[in-house]
Amino acid sequence: SQQGEEDPQALSIQEGENATMNCSYKTSINNLQWYRQNSGRGLVHLILIRSNEREKHSGRLRVTLDTSKKSSSLLITASRAADTASYFCAPVMDSNYQLIWGAGTKLIIKP
Amino acid sequence: IAGITQAPTSQILAAGRRMTLRCTQDMRHNAMYWYRQDLGLGLRLIHYSNTAGTTGKGEVPDGYSVSRANTDDFPLTLASAVPSQTSVYFCASSENRGLKAFFGQGTRLTVV
Repeated sequence: SQQGEEDPQALSIQEGENATMNCSYKTSINNLQWYRQNSGRGLVHLILIRSNEREKHSGRLRVTLDTSKKSSSLLITASRAADTASYFCAPVMDSNYQLIWGAGTKLIIKP
Repeated sequence: IAGITQAPTSQILAAGRRMTLRCTQDMRHNAMYWYRQDLGLGLRLIHYSNTAGTTGKGEVPDGYSVSRANTDDFPLTLASAVPSQTSVYFCASSENRGLKAFFGQGTRLTVV
């Protein structure tokens, strides 16, 4: 399988704390994307980081990419209750540009 | 508002019946995708289309077919539904393959 894998599977933190989620993959990639999914809803794109980039920011989100370790991390700073959702990383295979999906990290922000 | 629309939002279907899930986007995206999402699992790609007139098989294509007659529409057909096809189905599109994807709200299908 060439699935991406998120870690941890579940994360529960207090509002205001930072949340870090990790992603590992096995293949050579063109870019890596992070998505959020609220319960019962479609996925929403958060950020895309290209294979030649090491770090990218968007608002309270910070994504890092280490292609030598085939891993990425998503940091959400100053978490809010509205951040409660499942988060998925999607490495994009260099060979055919397909997105590879893991099972996601379920993030719960406690008020 | 530009976006991607799926229909129906939910459906209960008798095993053996034929069903078409509809997907339409108005962003003039070249690439479109159909995924299924089962509890505890990530998305699994069923079929994709990199551009109008072409389609390809994903990870779990058996029992499903697609067509891409034009840029906007990408219907998914279950020829003869089976209970293992009970799932939530998501359609998505991106400007080109491998780029930021926009997802529909999903179709919850139950095959009984």
